[in-house]
Amino acid sequence: GEDVEQSLFLSVREGDSSVINCTYTDSSSTYLYWYKQEPGAGLQLLTYIFSNMDMKQDQRLTVLLNKKDKHLSLRIADTQTGDSAIYFCAEITDKLIFGTGTRLQVFP
Amino acid sequence: SAVISQKPSRDICQRGTSLTIQCQVDSQVTMMFWYRQQPGQSLTLIATANQGSEATYESGFVIDKFPISRPNLTFSTLTVSNMSPEDSSIYLCSVEGRGTTEAFFGQGTRLTVV
Repeated sequence: GEDVEQSLFLSVREGDSSVINCTYTDSSSTYLYWYKQEPGAGLQLLTYIFSNMDMKQDQRLTVLLNKKDKHLSLRIADTQTGDSAIYFCAEITDKLIFGTGTRLQVFP
Repeated sequence: SAVISQKPSRDICQRGTSLTIQCQVDSQVTMMFWYRQQPGQSLTLIATANQGSEATYESGFVIDKFPISRPNLTFSTLTVSNMSPEDSSIYLCSVEGRGTTEAFFGQGTRLTVV
């Protein structure tokens, strides 16, 4: 079945790196995504990775994909207070399936 | 990217009434999607709205409760009918990006049913 899991909370100090993890079940997913949801806002696409890639870097963001273990991670370098939000991973097969969301809290 | 405008951004409604949410896109798109995000939870796809045909509903969602219109390639509405407090959620409209598999979202409609 379709199931995308994430840890619920992550708390980091400003300036440190954050790593948000995600596991998915459908090996036929072609793309995997990371979305950010700030309070009272919709979803903002942060980055995505094609399923035949292992890694993608975009400024402070690094996405790692372990297709064998169906594990996806998002690393945010030099985390800032403005990064505080809920982060959703998502996989796409015939539709987008979202993870449970990880609430990232950044403290000074 | 696509710019998506949703109206209203929030509303408080009496149980038993209905609310229609509008979604306007700044470009023509084939498929539009409606999601529900219940408090503290992830997003769940309600239905896919294609222009010129009836919407396709996901398991657990029915047309009588969530009628959808798609009159043209830039606009769609979702109605939440005969509301109860359990319908209190954020409802989001989404479209696929042209030539990509990215999905773009409106800012959502926060519905509270009292």
